Amino acid sequence: NAGVTQTPKFQVLKTGQSMTLQCAQDMNHEYMSWYRQDPGMGLRLIHYSVGAGITDQGEVPNGYNVSRSTTEDFPLRLLSAAPSQTSVYFCASRGRPNSGNTIYFGEGSWLTVV
Amino acid sequence: AQSVTQLDSHVSVSEGTPVLLRCNYSSSYSPSLFWYVQHPNKGLQLLLKYTSAATLVKGINGFEAEFKKSETSFHLTKPSAHMSDAAEYFCVVSEGGTGGFKTIFGAGTRLFVKA
Repeated sequence: NAGVTQTPKFQVLKTGQSMTLQCAQDMNHEYMSWYRQDPGMGLRLIHYSVGAGITDQGEVPNGYNVSRSTTEDFPLRLLSAAPSQTSVYFCASRGRPNSGNTIYFGEGSWLTVV
Repeated sequence: AQSVTQLDSHVSVSEGTPVLLRCNYSSSYSPSLFWYVQHPNKGLQLLLKYTSAATLVKGINGFEAEFKKSETSFHLTKPSAHMSDAAEYFCVVSEGGTGGFKTIFGAGTRLFVKA
């Protein structure tokens, strides 16, 4: 099925470890983004990309890196995990504004940093 | 810069009564506006979207929202609440001007439905 695929779904990390959350979409969308969801704070934008080779910071970028080497993939890297990064992470993609504008989400990644 | 404010962190209604979830936004460009719903421990589901066509937008499960540019609002309504509507609702603004492309979420409104 077409859509946004996010892995892993669950992960436990120790403080200081690094890891990468993978995100892939097969809809040829230019726009992709990563959010974290914390209780009472909704979804906050971490980083986003408007196309291959182009990324920019969102509201809460510190502690995270991204890259966009292909249209399909937009991985999120935690360089040195901290307990404050315990959260649920969502990857999203959407097409151009004249293509319907619907945002598609991955199923989420539950990350715990101990 | 864009922003989204959901005016109520939680709303409680009785089953069969109307639902009103309020959302105000600001945007430098003509925005696209969305409402998403999230049930506990689930992903995000699109309820409806406004993309500069009709200002009254109908979505799934009987929800609708009206885009009011003069009030910069996009409130979500439903005539009669059902128990299955209990969830968290997010108002979302997205713009695609020359300054870039961002999609910002409101903080969410938790809807409680009483029997």
